[in-house]
Amino acid sequence: DNVLPQSPTTMAASPGEKVTITCHASSSGVYMNWHQQKSGTSPKLWIYDTSKLASGVPDRFSGSGSGTSYSLTINTMETEDAATYYCQQCCSTPPITFGSGTKLEIK
Amino acid sequence: EVKLVESGGGLVQPGRSLKLSCAASGFNFNDYWMGWVRQAPGKGLEWIGEINKDSSIINYTPSLKDKFTISRDNAQNTLYLQMRNVESEDTAIYYCAREQHGCDYWGQGVMVTVSS
Repeated sequence: DNVLPQSPTTMAASPGEKVTITCHASSSGVYMNWHQQKSGTSPKLWIYDTSKLASGVPDRFSGSGSGTSYSLTINTMETEDAATYYCQQCCSTPPITFGSGTKLEIK
Repeated sequence: EVKLVESGGGLVQPGRSLKLSCAASGFNFNDYWMGWVRQAPGKGLEWIGEINKDSSIINYTPSLKDKFTISRDNAQNTLYLQMRNVESEDTAIYYCAREQHGCDYWGQGVMVTVSS
């Protein structure tokens, strides 16, 4: 199936800790977006076009990457950041593919 | 305020068909590509497909193209997902999404349970 590998699958971080989640695209030249999903709720666009923060996203979050390797970084982990994060690649073949997800917990 | 509200889910028997709807408001529906994404219980997100502004382009994840048909009615600001010959593996929450920057707005989702 078309699922982009993300790592780690799960992780726990302490408040104030730096967190990095990575995603491997299936081809280069794609747009990479990230979504945050908290338990029992719909996903929310969090980062788009690799590095742009969606409206309302705290600036402790950042996105980077090129080629086929992309990452989401939280500069200083906060309790409210505990969630599952999915990368999303657009627009190749098929046009959109999601990552396998990274569950981030607070330690 | 952008709102996407899915409906039409519920319990459906294996082999039957089901049509989901997504009512859009708060933006000019005619100006956006729209898509469907599903999430099986405890699993990740799976993109189903998308439709362009005037329905002239419809793309699907290859493995799902025989099971789903996406359509839209711009006069009614509504997106549709026709499901056919459903199986237990189709049990999931189905989300509609506005496709800008990937998916910039999501509906609350509608649960579809396939069981006899």
